Amino acid sequence: SQQGEEDPQALSIQEGENATMNCSYKTSINNLQWYRQNSGRGLVHLILIRSNEREKHSGRLRVTLDTSKKSSSLLITASRAADTASYFCATDPLETSGSRLTFGEGTQLTVNP
Amino acid sequence: GAVVSQHPSRVICKSGTSVKIECRSLDFQATTMFWYRQFPKQSLMLMATSNEGSKATYEQGVEKDKFLINHASLTLSTLTVTSAHPEDSSFYICSARTWGPYTDTQYFGPGTRLTVL
Repeated sequence: SQQGEEDPQALSIQEGENATMNCSYKTSINNLQWYRQNSGRGLVHLILIRSNEREKHSGRLRVTLDTSKKSSSLLITASRAADTASYFCATDPLETSGSRLTFGEGTQLTVNP
Repeated sequence: GAVVSQHPSRVICKSGTSVKIECRSLDFQATTMFWYRQFPKQSLMLMATSNEGSKATYEQGVEKDKFLINHASLTLSTLTVTSAHPEDSSFYICSARTWGPYTDTQYFGPGTRLTVL
């Protein structure tokens, strides 16, 4: 069963604005990963943050992790129309470390030009 | 980065037929491959974990006799949907895991769109 919950389910912004997506989970984790999926396509790995990390950056992406609240956020700065996609968080549970990922419900991001 | 391919990318079949989907890791060896199913506007649901040379481990509620998984080599896993029905229409995605002392990453294939008429 899916343990991750993401909010918002859908987000529509204008080009140049920042987009923030949140993910909550229920079990202790080894790491948390964010993926992007364009409509009808496979998943692209964006960033991985380990349980002992609090913040990580990659280009225009910034990910935070709060293990006490069991939540993570993905911030995309200076968004572009090409960022339009679905974004999923996925947790690697501590008890099954590395053997499976549990995906959140996803956030559909639309960046209007 | 590592590349995972799936074949076919899209398949349409009649109800009652069987469909085989291949998942290949093109430039690395994957001891573990995963099969997911994704319905429209929903998240990925793990169906089974496939380990090379051993039987697949299925998630609760996934029929192992309907979704046959074979992981015959370190670069190839196949999913066969037997006696497909319209409710099996979905987007099937595989991933391949590569891990070592400093890395543990899953790489996803582009997905296969199955439509059962």
